[in-house]
Amino acid sequence: DTAVSQTPKYLVTQMGNDKSIKCEQNLGHDTMYWYKQDSKKFLKIMFSYNNKELIINETVPNRFSPKSPDKAHLNLHINSLELGDSAVYFCASSQDRLPTQYFGPGTRLTVL
Amino acid sequence: AQSVTQLDSQVPVFEEAPVELRCNYSSSVSVYLFWYVQYPNQGLQLLLKYLSGSTLVKGINGFEAEFNKSQTSFHLRKPSVHISDTAEYFCAVSEYGGSQGNLIFGKGTKLSVKP
Repeated sequence: DTAVSQTPKYLVTQMGNDKSIKCEQNLGHDTMYWYKQDSKKFLKIMFSYNNKELIINETVPNRFSPKSPDKAHLNLHINSLELGDSAVYFCASSQDRLPTQYFGPGTRLTVL
Repeated sequence: AQSVTQLDSQVPVFEEAPVELRCNYSSSVSVYLFWYVQYPNQGLQLLLKYLSGSTLVKGINGFEAEFNKSQTSFHLRKPSVHISDTAEYFCAVSEYGGSQGNLIFGKGTKLSVKP
């Protein structure tokens, strides 16, 4: 069983559209994260959620909004997509803010 | 503010040769340290971690790393690499008592193993 899963794996869309990426973890963790990996492979944290509470927001545009229906899921909604949003987005999870994080397979978003 | 520097963006090496991937960090407080590996078109896999205790940590696939507090380094080593080790390797750090869970990554080192 996959520990951290993301859907879709690939997402191609037009500028201005709204899209969502889903993340689920079956590790029983209560903290989940979203990271963005740019074209140069640089990884940067975007959000984290602990027990449905946003605890990190690293100057991400408000077009991006995380939504957590329960502690096993953290979805990423993106409004009015721009060319610069093209990247690979990774979901991760950890137990109770412990430092070790486990990552999903990534979602490659391409905005045309 | 904490930061991570991976000194080599690319490391080419022949199969069965030893390899060292260098990582230095900067932080005003104590840290946890990690190495992750990303195979082509795949996600990030945890290779090894230093949380506390012995400064020499062993990970998966025969890799090990040594935490050196005085030199603020956490270099990754393998005595004999295989073709299958070709991947991107990321060093990461998070602070004790900081924005817990906030992993700061280096820019990655691409390891290319040649036959």
